[in-house]
Amino acid sequence: IAGITQAPTSQILAAGRRMTLRCTQDMRHNAMYWYRQDLGLGLRLIHYSNTAGTTGKGEVPDGYSVSRANTDDFPLTLASAVPSQTSVYFCASSDDTGGADTQYFGPGTRLTVL
Amino acid sequence: GQNIDQPTEMTATEGAIVQINCTYQTSGFNGLFWYQQHAGEAPTFLSYNVLDGLEEKGRFSSFLSRSKGYSYLLLKELQMKDSASYLCAVREGDYKLSFGAGTTVTVRA
Repeated sequence: IAGITQAPTSQILAAGRRMTLRCTQDMRHNAMYWYRQDLGLGLRLIHYSNTAGTTGKGEVPDGYSVSRANTDDFPLTLASAVPSQTSVYFCASSDDTGGADTQYFGPGTRLTVL
Repeated sequence: GQNIDQPTEMTATEGAIVQINCTYQTSGFNGLFWYQQHAGEAPTFLSYNVLDGLEEKGRFSSFLSRSKGYSYLLLKELQMKDSASYLCAVREGDYKLSFGAGTTVTVRA
């Protein structure tokens, strides 16, 4: 593994189903983030984690949950998917040291909820 | 929260220069980032400004004026591969970023 990986690449899901999007990084970054990207709205932060064991809510957290059991993994769960959660989801990580603290993004998961 | 504005679309000719403006409103500015995103791909880091002035990196330059809440990304000697979306992002206080909706740049031959 090099960088950040996400799985699945794409998924079609029936409304009401539970779904977990996976994100793994091998850069030993402290901070990790989940964004959704919708046409005309740009990237919006769903949840974040500054370090293993802690999480926080972003701009659009409703309907989503996250956990950070270790440094490398940051799964995003949709407990009961709704069509408005159709989007492209990006996971990102950073060193969380301030300054030019660049966020590195995974390849994304394209989710369609029908 | 933050209000980040950038133009939706811009078109330019190969070899030309394009300037993408970004204005923002924030109460605790802690850095401004520009990312490039090709269609169907992940955003990738281009530049970072935290102090006023110009940062140059090859064909790309980024400018910041904190007092005006204003930044621009300058792309010189445009190439076809520069056709992409360019995202302005502001960090306020802690390490989270707020992104603008992005500017889609189309380079024509």
